[in-house]
Amino acid sequence: ETGVTQSPTHLIKTRGQQVTLRCSSQSGHNTVSWYQQALGQGPQFIFQYYREEENGRGNFPPRFSGLQFPNYSSELNVNALELDDSALYLCASSRPPSEDYEQYFGPGTRLTVT
Amino acid sequence: DAKTTQPTSMDCAEGRAANLPCNHSTISGNEYVYWYRQIHSQGPQYIIHGLKNNETNEMASLIITEDRKSSTLILPHATLRDTAVYYCIVRVESFTGTASKLTFGTGTRLQVTL
Repeated sequence: ETGVTQSPTHLIKTRGQQVTLRCSSQSGHNTVSWYQQALGQGPQFIFQYYREEENGRGNFPPRFSGLQFPNYSSELNVNALELDDSALYLCASSRPPSEDYEQYFGPGTRLTVT
Repeated sequence: DAKTTQPTSMDCAEGRAANLPCNHSTISGNEYVYWYRQIHSQGPQYIIHGLKNNETNEMASLIITEDRKSSTLILPHATLRDTAVYYCIVRVESFTGTASKLTFGTGTRLQVTL
């Protein structure tokens, strides 16, 4: 197991609601990346946070937003939930992007939107 | 990032070597080959990466062809715990000014049987 933790483990929300997912990075890592994994698919990159700022974003709409805190933990916020947002949300921590060759993933948060 | 092609699924008997192929014919000179795996209900786990020389660690060996257009991940003595989805990813090793994202495909589902 890695030192990356995520909460909650599972979550059920209704379409239109908002959700916040949390991630604690591994000790010594200051970069956090978030991924969405739909059933039967590989993880898709949402965005990355480095030094408390967004450091790149995948093809996701603005209703997907995030934060990184001084202790390098991070939050993923999704507004106006849609049925297609149902997925496993993974966070990964790593060294700075210029030194990153391995990302350590947490166990994920399973989000179900009804 | 260069595109990769992997078989959808493979079977392997426990104790035998598992050889997982990956095609990456459009790989660039500064792109590395990475392998991650995802055991059911867990986050992806880094296995190994390499540029052009063969690499070995405690988990696996990576064989890259001389033209770098394909590679093979070898698990020398597969066990039931190696049953997972294996992802072959091509990316540069370090990033400056951009996100160090991983681009996952659908991977190869390896089933290790008794």
